[in-house]
Amino acid sequence: NAGVTQTPKFQVLKTGQSMTLQCAQDMNHEYMSWYRQDPGMGLRLIHYSVGAGITDQGEVPNGYNVSRSTTEDFPLRLLSAAPSQTSVYFCASRSGAEQYFGPGTRLTVT
Amino acid sequence: KQEVTQIPAALSVPEGENLVLNCSFTDSAIYNLQWFRQDPGKGLTSLLLIQSSQREQTSGRLNASLDKSSGRSTLYIAASQPGDSATYLCAVSSMNNNAGNMLTFGGGTRLMVKP
Repeated sequence: NAGVTQTPKFQVLKTGQSMTLQCAQDMNHEYMSWYRQDPGMGLRLIHYSVGAGITDQGEVPNGYNVSRSTTEDFPLRLLSAAPSQTSVYFCASRSGAEQYFGPGTRLTVT
Repeated sequence: KQEVTQIPAALSVPEGENLVLNCSFTDSAIYNLQWFRQDPGKGLTSLLLIQSSQREQTSGRLNASLDKSSGRSTLYIAASQPGDSATYLCAVSSMNNNAGNMLTFGGGTRLMVKP
């Protein structure tokens, strides 16, 4: 099992550009989520999904879109990047109560 | 709103010491509490998961306790080693936050174990 994978590892965007952060898991977990990690703020939930076709907002959803067309994939879209979205993004999936995190994507918006 | 605090923010100890990391949370209506380890530039690795009905969990040299009524958890690391150097994060799944579908994280304790 590869577990939770994320691409790209690093990305630099200019303000206003759009991009999609990819997340995939091969553990057949129904629940997947996206967090951002900022210095001094800890990790905060952006969006989550409890199964294919079902998504919901977390604590900091503004500026981000998600969709869940398959159990395996949960992409995070930034429609118009802003400097405030500079952060490290983590995707996670869950089996029961235990969460499994991907290696993260470090995003810089200039 | 659930808030999670970890003390201390940073800790430096000599190899071989036993140490305790602290985590406190404000809302005791939780499903579970999880301790993670994060190495620099890496993702999070789950160490221990304690369900709300449990008092402690053990894995090797690690022991985590939970006192839900007082809103506290501790992570005990026995006989610390340089390889234990990392940031340790505490996170709770709360009944009142997205029906438990959101983890609320503390700010972490950055641990350095010196040889």
